[in-house]
Amino acid sequence: EPEVTQTPSHQVTQMGQEVILRCVPISNHLYFYWYRQILGQKVEFLVSFYNNEISEKSEIFDDQFSVERPDGSNFTLKIRSTKLEDSAMYFCASSGSLAGAVGERETQYFGPGTRLLVL
Amino acid sequence: AQTVTQSQPEMSVQEAETVTLSCTYDTSENNYYLFWYKQPPSRQMILVIRQEAYKQQNATENRFSVNFQKAAKSFSLKISDSQLGDTAMYFCASHTGTASKLTFGTGTRLQVTL
Repeated sequence: EPEVTQTPSHQVTQMGQEVILRCVPISNHLYFYWYRQILGQKVEFLVSFYNNEISEKSEIFDDQFSVERPDGSNFTLKIRSTKLEDSAMYFCASSGSLAGAVGERETQYFGPGTRLLVL
Repeated sequence: AQTVTQSQPEMSVQEAETVTLSCTYDTSENNYYLFWYKQPPSRQMILVIRQEAYKQQNATENRFSVNFQKAAKSFSLKISDSQLGDTAMYFCASHTGTASKLTFGTGTRLQVTL
């Protein structure tokens, strides 16, 4: 069964450093998302991406964050200058295909996450 | 803003028994979807079940079923014949209207015991 993959599984970085989290969405999906989950808290939406542009973003997704689909398979989240409070689990998700069955766009499948620790 | 509320932080059930996890939501939209996701200790988010708001019939997936009460804005998850592998955090989530994001509740930690 197709699945979303994410690399790395764990990342430790120093405050102020740049990190890039990578995701390979399900191959025929068109909509891509990033969420984060601070330890012990609920999952929070960061950004959604469709047709090579951001379609929605939350207030968390400030100028320190950017997303890119550099090729036909990868979807990346970059944090330019990490802060201690960026420590969290980051999930990539994807949904929707050209076939477009009812509910397909809304049903998001998540990757296994990248655990980011900022020291 | 959309809200999803899970009022049970923790629940416990014995193996082979049935447990129901509660969720309420708030939306002014007519077109929306509701989901339950499971997060085991590995922290992966696994889709358990989906309910379309326009469908009156409650969704079922093997041992998992929902009780969708649209007027009450309630969406509970019933797990039948609980198994040790069902031990996890369970998150209720909504997707409403033309927004692209999922809105999650705070989760219910379910422990299945022998």
